[in-house]
Amino acid sequence: QQPVQSPQAVILREGEDAVINCSSSKALYSVHWYRQKHGEAPVFLMILLKGGEQKGHEKISASFNEKKQQSSLYLTASQLSYSGTYFCGTDPGSGNTGKLIFGQGTTLQVKP
Amino acid sequence: NAGVTQTPKFQVLKTGQSMTLQCAQDMNHEYMSWYRQDPGMGLRLIHYSVGAGITDQGEVPNGYNVSRSTTEDFPLRLLSAAPSQTSVYFCASRGQGASGYTFGSGTRLTVV
Repeated sequence: QQPVQSPQAVILREGEDAVINCSSSKALYSVHWYRQKHGEAPVFLMILLKGGEQKGHEKISASFNEKKQQSSLYLTASQLSYSGTYFCGTDPGSGNTGKLIFGQGTTLQVKP
Repeated sequence: NAGVTQTPKFQVLKTGQSMTLQCAQDMNHEYMSWYRQDPGMGLRLIHYSVGAGITDQGEVPNGYNVSRSTTEDFPLRLLSAAPSQTSVYFCASRGQGASGYTFGSGTRLTVV
């Protein structure tokens, strides 16, 4: 039931782009994306709903392919502040169950 | 607004002791959840609630109890602490619709 994220880790130089993928074996109602910096709580980035797509930030966007049960997070022109661990969370089922299951995370390191 | 408030921030328990982790939110959010985070394991859902009086089990509910008597509060009870419950615990809440979770700052629990 846990979504699978790939890659597990990414190292970038400032200004480079990255894509983080999240896939599920079950049909999805929504996909959440969060970022967590070391020693801090996760912070919500954006949510994508079945039948729609929502962009949460200017240089960070995401897509949701319902048929493939996959979502991808796109980080454009990365900045040092983008470093952290990114988690996708999925709400399986046909409605808004309130149950959010997270993937294992993708660690992103942006170097100067 | 204080957001999501968790107490205590740190706690050391002896094996077999019981305790309650407190969580309160002042945003009138319907959905609340408890997660535990272990190194390399990501965020695992313990219990969640979709409103006052309604709770359900998550991925790893054994050894924990919850109740939701009010919209604001969602305490997590450890019945008989075990070393395997050493972890960082996060409480989170969100409103209905297309909204993400707001996380508390976490409780770092050590069971010796």
